[in-house]
Amino acid sequence: QSALTQPASVSGSPGQSITISCTGTSSDVGGYNYVSWYQQHPGKAPKLVITDVSNRPSGVSDRFSGSKSGNTASLTISGLQAEDEADYYCSSYTSSTLLVFGGGTKLTVL
Amino acid sequence: QVQLVQSGAEVKKPGASVKVSCKASGYTFTRYYMHWVRQAPGQGLEWMGRINPGGGFTSYAQKFQGRVTMTRDTSTSTVYMELSSLRSDDTAVYYCARPPYGSGSYYLDYWGLGTLVTVSS
Repeated sequence: QSALTQPASVSGSPGQSITISCTGTSSDVGGYNYVSWYQQHPGKAPKLVITDVSNRPSGVSDRFSGSKSGNTASLTISGLQAEDEADYYCSSYTSSTLLVFGGGTKLTVL
Repeated sequence: QVQLVQSGAEVKKPGASVKVSCKASGYTFTRYYMHWVRQAPGQGLEWMGRINPGGGFTSYAQKFQGRVTMTRDTSTSTVYMELSSLRSDDTAVYYCARPPYGSGSYYLDYWGLGTLVTVSS
């Protein structure tokens, strides 16, 4: 099972919006609405920010939103803030091995 | 509140085994699966497998089949992940993480702080 494909890095200025893509196949992202997203700051454990494609857990800012089209899921962060600078990982249920993560995307707030 | 407390850092030689523990509290231990995820230095997250603490049933990522064993001790609400035949590329932080209730939950909303395992001769 190969990792889901994410861009290595994205960047944006404070107040702007950015989108991170996560591309898989019909056996994972495209086949099920079980895509989740995690934020990870350096030296810290991952933090869940989106569940089941587009649901936001309690306590997560509404600046975070998720969507999916075909085999590609997306995480959008609007109104970028300095504290959003972190690594972001997507994850999906997969029929072959249960769970698979993306390779991760480093978000830089300029 | 849900807490997952992991054991301390380990240093192992190539070929050895390591057993990492994750002690759960703040919820009914046997009702929630527990997953293990690892992260090599500077690398991404990698799913290793999960265990059903109620019945002890396990599912492992194909990459780790034959080398990983996940077990649990219901008397202490602790899950264990043992990785054998260690290689240098097993050097990583190992996380336990808990999903919501139900076998059809595929996201992880509670994470331990991680256990660094270093494999070096």
